[in-house]
Amino acid sequence: ILNVEQSPQSLHVQEGDSTNFTCSFPSSNFYALHWYRWETAKSPEALFVMTLNGDEKKKGRISATLNTKEGYSYLYIKGSQPEDSATYLCSSLVTSGTYKYIFGTGTRLKVLA
Amino acid sequence: GAVVSQHPSRVICKSGTSVKIECRSLDFQATTMFWYRQFPKQSLMLMATSNEGSKATYEQGVEKDKFLINHASLTLSTLTVTSAHPEDSSFYICSARDPSDYGYTFGSGTRLTVV
Repeated sequence: ILNVEQSPQSLHVQEGDSTNFTCSFPSSNFYALHWYRWETAKSPEALFVMTLNGDEKKKGRISATLNTKEGYSYLYIKGSQPEDSATYLCSSLVTSGTYKYIFGTGTRLKVLA
Repeated sequence: GAVVSQHPSRVICKSGTSVKIECRSLDFQATTMFWYRQFPKQSLMLMATSNEGSKATYEQGVEKDKFLINHASLTLSTLTVTSAHPEDSSFYICSARDPSDYGYTFGSGTRLTVV
């Protein structure tokens, strides 16, 4: 069974703090890693797609890195704002004959004003 | 960007009844849609892949006679939970491939409660 694990499960940070969380995934049959931002009662919003070892992506104050050899990705938020409060979900696209997405359980971020 | 509209967002039904959930791609054609289920504190789990004009592909352990999927047009896929039981209470969400980029666009999800 292939598992994608995210840590921490939840965290609270103060406004202005920078934070980061981890997504660990099986490195075998890896094809792509997706990060989503998911606010309650809304659709998950795609943040990044990364495929190559060493990939780094940036979108405003949010950035992500990818290490496919050791099977992890970090998501960083610089200068957290209350509107960053959401669940950050990662999923690994694996291929072994067919393509399949495996999701983590998410990291629930609460930014306190 | 691509938008997937999912309805209803929340439904409560009696045990033994059937519930239909709809997912529509609003500004693009989706030949394939994916249906996921998420129990509390667990990951999104793929239930089935819905293919326009053909039978859906179900993941292992998902009963195809209980979770009926219809993808009759390029913009609409439906999931019907038949003879619902309390253990079917869960969060159901659909997604479709966004043709403009590499990612997938999700619906907003349906919270099903069977009483």
